[in-house]
Amino acid sequence: QKEVEQNSGPLSVPEGAIASLNCTYSDRVSQSFFWYRQYSGKSPELIMSIYSNGDKEDGRFTAQLNKASQYVSLLIRDSQPSDSATYLCAVRLRGYQKVTFGTGTKLQVIP
Amino acid sequence: TAGITQAPTSQILAAGRSMTLRCTQDMRHNAMYWYRQDLGLGLRLIHYSNTAGTTGKGEVPDGYSVSRANTDDFPLTLASAVPSQTSVYFCASSEGQGQNTEAFFGQGTRLTVV
Repeated sequence: QKEVEQNSGPLSVPEGAIASLNCTYSDRVSQSFFWYRQYSGKSPELIMSIYSNGDKEDGRFTAQLNKASQYVSLLIRDSQPSDSATYLCAVRLRGYQKVTFGTGTKLQVIP
Repeated sequence: TAGITQAPTSQILAAGRSMTLRCTQDMRHNAMYWYRQDLGLGLRLIHYSNTAGTTGKGEVPDGYSVSRANTDDFPLTLASAVPSQTSVYFCASSEGQGQNTEAFFGQGTRLTVV
């Protein structure tokens, strides 16, 4: 089982809709969770970090964490064509500094 | 603001040759990392350094070496390149303290080994 799993997609949503991206992780001692956005040919950039169960909102983005079920999700409200990118889920284990990434979900927002 | 700078941005390298990918950060972050990114495999950790003077092996360390002589620099060396090392290489850094360990990435080096 991979440490961090994501559906590769592509996930296609119409402009203005809510995009829901999901990620599961295998290690229960995972402590910190991150969502990165990566445009084609560019480097990953951090969108959100979340450390506690529940929701964390930042503008159009909401990260949701459920440690009991070992999943973390990212919701993008009012999706825009500029949101079209690959979204990477990343996890850091308690006591470690290194971060493990999922393979990413490609999101396509259709105008 | 510079953040993390990688050099070169791209390189074509003959198999068997050696090469050093350079990475410099100006954020005074303690931790630095080297990842490679391949289609379908995502970002895989090659080597990391929690602080200057220390290094550790990641998920795919074979064929690569690193050093961390100071806080700012974290070069990655391929001693004898092979075609399977064709990839996009990303250097990253993080503060490395407490929970706030989100990683910030350089612009990447696209390496082709022929």
